[in-house]
Amino acid sequence: QKEVEQDPGPLSVPEGAIVSLNCTYSNSAFQYFMWYRQYSRKGPELLMYTYSSGNKEDGRFTAQVDKSSKYISLFIRDSQPSDSATYLCAMTLYGGATNKLIFGTGTLLAVQP
Amino acid sequence: GAVVSQHPSWVICKSGTSVKIECRSLDFQATTMFWYRQFPKQSLMLMATSNEGSKATYEQGVEKDKFLINHASLTLSTLTVTSAHPEDSSFYICSAREKLEAFFGQGTRLTVV
Repeated sequence: QKEVEQDPGPLSVPEGAIVSLNCTYSNSAFQYFMWYRQYSRKGPELLMYTYSSGNKEDGRFTAQVDKSSKYISLFIRDSQPSDSATYLCAMTLYGGATNKLIFGTGTLLAVQP
Repeated sequence: GAVVSQHPSWVICKSGTSVKIECRSLDFQATTMFWYRQFPKQSLMLMATSNEGSKATYEQGVEKDKFLINHASLTLSTLTVTSAHPEDSSFYICSAREKLEAFFGQGTRLTVV
């Protein structure tokens, strides 16, 4: 079993739709959770990070963490064609700069105009 | 956010030659940097953790003599692919963490012909 599971998609939605992206994980010790967006042939860019359980909102993006279910989500409201990219979840045990991130496989999202 | 610069963005080399990829943290010091490899439509695979002033830590299955990592300063890590072969063709990405957040370089597309 992989430490982090993520549906690879592709996920295709019309412009303006609400998008839900999800990851599950097996290690209950993970404490820090991140979402990255990666455009084709580019490095990932950090969208949001959260610590422990709860919600965090930033503009059209909302990240949720449910540690009891070992499940994290990223919601995108009013999706735009420019949101078309691969979305990667990542998590780590500790917040220190030396600790490696464990990534999901990424979900390819296509927002149709 | 912090900036991580990776160079070159793409390189084509002949089989048997060596290629060096640079990763720089432009506005923060990074005692630890991470090197990833990414195949098309797949997630990031951690290759090694680069530690300033000491030897890199390689993930299982990664040949340390083939992928040489040097982290000579707090802002620069280099990955050298030695005696490159076509199967080494891939997208290589470096990352550095500043506090809780991990920032990625733009990636290097290596093609070995």
